[in-house]
Amino acid sequence: DIQMTQSPSSVSASVGDRVTITCRASQGIGTSLGWYQQKPGKAPNLLIYAASSLQSGVPSRFSGSGSGTDFTLTISSLQPEDFATYYCQQAKAFPLSFGGGTKVEIK
Amino acid sequence: EVQLVESGGGLVQPGGSLRLSCAASGFTFSDHYMDWVRQAPGKGLEWVGRIRNKGQSYTTEYAASVRGRFTISRDDSKNSLYLQVNSLKIEDTAEYYCARDLQRGEAFMDAWGQGTTVTVSS
Repeated sequence: DIQMTQSPSSVSASVGDRVTITCRASQGIGTSLGWYQQKPGKAPNLLIYAASSLQSGVPSRFSGSGSGTDFTLTISSLQPEDFATYYCQQAKAFPLSFGGGTKVEIK
Repeated sequence: EVQLVESGGGLVQPGGSLRLSCAASGFTFSDHYMDWVRQAPGKGLEWVGRIRNKGQSYTTEYAASVRGRFTISRDDSKNSLYLQVNSLKIEDTAEYYCARDLQRGEAFMDAWGQGTTVTVSS
């Protein structure tokens, strides 16, 4: 099975900051990587799929990059509504697997 | 508008069973693969399983932690997805979400329900 490891587990940032979250796969997954945002008490929301494709309706301040085992989600200018937990997910093979999550908190 | 609405959660004793449902609307349900994902209280997301569409013979995939105890099914005539959960364990306590496949050739989930809560406790 493919294990997904995210870092950091939490990050404190201010509105306007650039935030970068990383995700590492235990084996190469090409670009079969997605990113989700989850706010407290809500369902997850797909932000990025295929490592770098922006899901419809998602603001362009979100971007994804990487391939193989190392991936990055970048928020170019953090907005108040972006304070949430972010998860990566590999789609290379079943069982699908998520990273442990990165909580973006207000500094 | 795409909508997924789960129901059927509740409090159940260890070893018990439940049938979770997910009612879909606003899209052609029969075309899409569908997933179940769960989240234990205060924890991260855990994929539970997937069911493909009629074109793929309704084949299923499961996480090792639930294989043999959980069964995913669907009724395209009712636009509904189901998760039969048997032999429940304390560690199955979680919010259970149904989710729709993005249909981009890989298993990403682009629409989610609000979740239904399963609590396993004696």
